[in-house]
Amino acid sequence: AQKITQTQPGMFVQEKEAVTLDCTYDTSDPSYGLFWYKQPSSGEMIFLIYQGSYDQQNATEGRYSLNFQKARKSANLVISASQLGDSAMYFCAMRVRTNAGKSTFGDGTTLTVKP
Amino acid sequence: DAGVIQSPRHEVTEMGQEVTLRCKPISGHNSLFWYRQTMMRGLELLIYFNNNVPIDDSGMPEDRFSAKMPNASFSTLKIQPSEPRDSAVYFCASSPGLAGEYNEQFFGPGTRLTVL
Repeated sequence: AQKITQTQPGMFVQEKEAVTLDCTYDTSDPSYGLFWYKQPSSGEMIFLIYQGSYDQQNATEGRYSLNFQKARKSANLVISASQLGDSAMYFCAMRVRTNAGKSTFGDGTTLTVKP
Repeated sequence: DAGVIQSPRHEVTEMGQEVTLRCKPISGHNSLFWYRQTMMRGLELLIYFNNNVPIDDSGMPEDRFSAKMPNASFSTLKIQPSEPRDSAVYFCASSPGLAGEYNEQFFGPGTRLTVL
């Protein structure tokens, strides 16, 4: 079975500072993908960034980067230069090759950016 | 592309009534997912399809829930009879690629269901 753990129910960050949102995962499948999604208060789910289990380099997408530490089974999201619009719920998710790509989501972290 | 389309956006019904939620995935996407989101249980995967075939329905809470995907452009999630504890936001998501590939999921806007 797959499991995603996000241990930070809520986080605060000052505008323009960087913030790291934690995510650890558990799977016995050697082949998997890790994803981060953003859910603003309006409710939609927005894909942010993806990291494959065999990728050698950490993924980056604009101000988002994924700190992937395979041995520790962690896939932390780093947001640089936080903006007020970054205030939202953030979900870490995983898809595995077995079970035909079943996805598993963590409980989420609520990020609040302070002006 | 219009993205994933869900209807209705809001549904208020009375306990015991049948509820049907609809989803149109992004054209060309091979996988479709139904999720339920509540404050208490977070985001739960209910069922997902690959190439219109149900792959895993282990997340469907009970027999009152059923899902179909008659073709590549349409899926339904039905609750019959509905109960107050079914109140939640139901998301449909689609994903390109084949089973086992790691493509991101594109979510619809969700259907907010309230069962009185």
